[in-house]
Amino acid sequence: GAVVSQHPSWVICKSGTSVKIECRSLDFQATTMFWYRQFPKQSLMLMATSNEGSKATYEQGVEKDKFLINHASLTLSTLTVTSAHPEDSSFYICSARSPSGIRTGELFFGEGSRLTVL
Amino acid sequence: GEDVEQSLFLSVREGDSSVINCTYTDSSSTYLYWYKQEPGAGLQLLTYIFSNMDMKQDQRLTVLLNKKDKHLSLRIADTQTGDSAIYFCAGTGGFKTIFGAGTRLFVKA
Repeated sequence: GAVVSQHPSWVICKSGTSVKIECRSLDFQATTMFWYRQFPKQSLMLMATSNEGSKATYEQGVEKDKFLINHASLTLSTLTVTSAHPEDSSFYICSARSPSGIRTGELFFGEGSRLTVL
Repeated sequence: GEDVEQSLFLSVREGDSSVINCTYTDSSSTYLYWYKQEPGAGLQLLTYIFSNMDMKQDQRLTVLLNKKDKHLSLRIADTQTGDSAIYFCAGTGGFKTIFGAGTRLFVKA
């Protein structure tokens, strides 16, 4: 199957700093990627849809100035948590649909990035 | 929009069958999915079923779809300790995939 990789796997930062998380499709081109946030023992909350070469589409309630998304190439989307605070601590996961998954809608997920803000 | 609900916790003994249930609201979902998430990792697609099918079997996994009741289930035969994970039911709500809250499966040796 298609491979999606996230980096870093975990990051600890001080309050007020910005953190960038990368999501890469390793063996396919992804025009669209999705960013989720997962709280402990809870489901995935879709934050935004990242579109290559254009602005991301944010879900209601997600601050676009807080969570900056850039999808500059067909294999890379980045999520930057700006001026992070402890309440931003969470598990962030990205996903993408490969061309082979277009028909079935199958999503391929990254390994997730655990952010802890002190 | 699509809403997906599932029970939060299931505990079974090793070797028994596990049945995880899910209900959804949007009958227009073309595909319905089961994803598995192991601790500290992303999700991995286990299986999916096309909406015009009633059943799909894949080795130890059996998916049953009742479109009338909008009910989806995943049966894992001969459950092993390695099956301990969170299982997410999902459907397509337009372009987006909508996930249930996840069922945490705990397998006792």
